Amino acid sequence: NAGVTQTPKFQVLKTGQSMTLQCAQDMNHEYMSWYRQDPGMGLRLIHYSVGAGITDQGEVPNGYNVSRSTTEDFPLRLLSAAPSQTSVYFCASTTGSYGYTFGSGTRLTVV
Amino acid sequence: AQRVTQPEKLLSVFKGAPVELKCNYSYSGSPELFWYVQYSRQRLQLLLRHISRESIKGFTADLNKGETSFHLKKPFAQEEDSAMYYCALYNQGGKLIFGQGTELSVKP
Repeated sequence: NAGVTQTPKFQVLKTGQSMTLQCAQDMNHEYMSWYRQDPGMGLRLIHYSVGAGITDQGEVPNGYNVSRSTTEDFPLRLLSAAPSQTSVYFCASTTGSYGYTFGSGTRLTVV
Repeated sequence: AQRVTQPEKLLSVFKGAPVELKCNYSYSGSPELFWYVQYSRQRLQLLLRHISRESIKGFTADLNKGETSFHLKKPFAQEEDSAMYYCALYNQGGKLIFGQGTELSVKP
């Protein structure tokens, strides 16, 4: 039972490049979310999903796209990377109000 | 509006001293609240749920609906408690909303 798996763990991008952060969970959780963590800002919700085929925007969705074609996977796409997207990204999943399980994070630097 | 506020960015105490990390929330409904802990450069881990009214690693938290607070307490801090602590509010739509976090530093 791997829980929530994020890849890659580290990434450096040039401004304007695109990439996809992968997130997979093997707990059959309905709900999945993406957060970014910045110093002094806490964790801010980017996008979330309440089931396969259903996604919605969080607090800071601009510059990011998501899709949820399966229950297990919830990739986050950066369309055209900007230095302001330098952050640590966390994926999380849950069945409901029992608390989210988090992945180990992706540390992204945009230069 | 749904909001979680942690007024202290940094809390520094000595080993053995009591600890209280403050959390206030704004939510029009019956809140479900959590405390998460993040040790240095690791993933967030669930520490407490208000529903379960449990004590984990000596920490407790009581929901006070009158004061809209969910403060985290521990009577005697240990050095290994040093970490970032996040209070979070769950809404029934599947969203978990975090406060800004409080860094707890326990000095020997």
